[in-house]
Amino acid sequence: KNEVEQSPQNLTAQEGEFITINCSYSVGISALHWLQQHPGGGIVSLFMLSSGKKKHGRLIATINIQEKHSSLHITASHPRDSAVYICAVMRFQGGSEKLVFGKGTKLTVNP
Amino acid sequence: DTGVSQDPRHKITKRGQNVTFRCDPISEHNRLYWYRQTLGQGPEFLTYFQNEAQLEKSRLLSDRFSAERPKGSFSTLEIQRTEQGDSAMYLCASSSGTSGSIYNEQFFGPGTRLTVL
Repeated sequence: KNEVEQSPQNLTAQEGEFITINCSYSVGISALHWLQQHPGGGIVSLFMLSSGKKKHGRLIATINIQEKHSSLHITASHPRDSAVYICAVMRFQGGSEKLVFGKGTKLTVNP
Repeated sequence: DTGVSQDPRHKITKRGQNVTFRCDPISEHNRLYWYRQTLGQGPEFLTYFQNEAQLEKSRLLSDRFSAERPKGSFSTLEIQRTEQGDSAMYLCASSSGTSGSIYNEQFFGPGTRLTVL
């Protein structure tokens, strides 16, 4: 079992729909990243959070440390939101930090 | 542009050849990471530098792989005697912070896509 599990693997939505992507992890972490990857391959960090909730524009990320679960929400989705969304947890071990990634959720928003 | 840059963006090589990739981190960042991403998978950790010191290497990094960060600024990742299984996206990221500190957000470069024929 992977240390970081995302669901769903693939998600297709109509423009304007509310999107939720889930991430569960099985290890102790110091923080959690939500990342966006477009077809060209570059990765953009959307959020880094260790508790509670963060909001940036139409994106909202929440984390529940006790339940080892995080969600990424997109309100009023748009075709330009189509991308792969990756959850990554930051593990702090032996004086160094390491990101452990989920496999990603491929989101397609149709006009 | 003051973000993380990687060169080349794409590399096609024949099996058995050596390749070298370069990563230039954000200038004030002292930490640099290399990751590998194969199709349909999330990135996997390869190695990590704090300044010029290579602090951790994944078991994924076989003897054919070597990474350096000689002056604590840019880094190179070399793959010797490439194999078809080395075909992947190689991602570099950097972050700031001192040993023992947490909450260091990593900033990613655009990646180098390697195809081994």
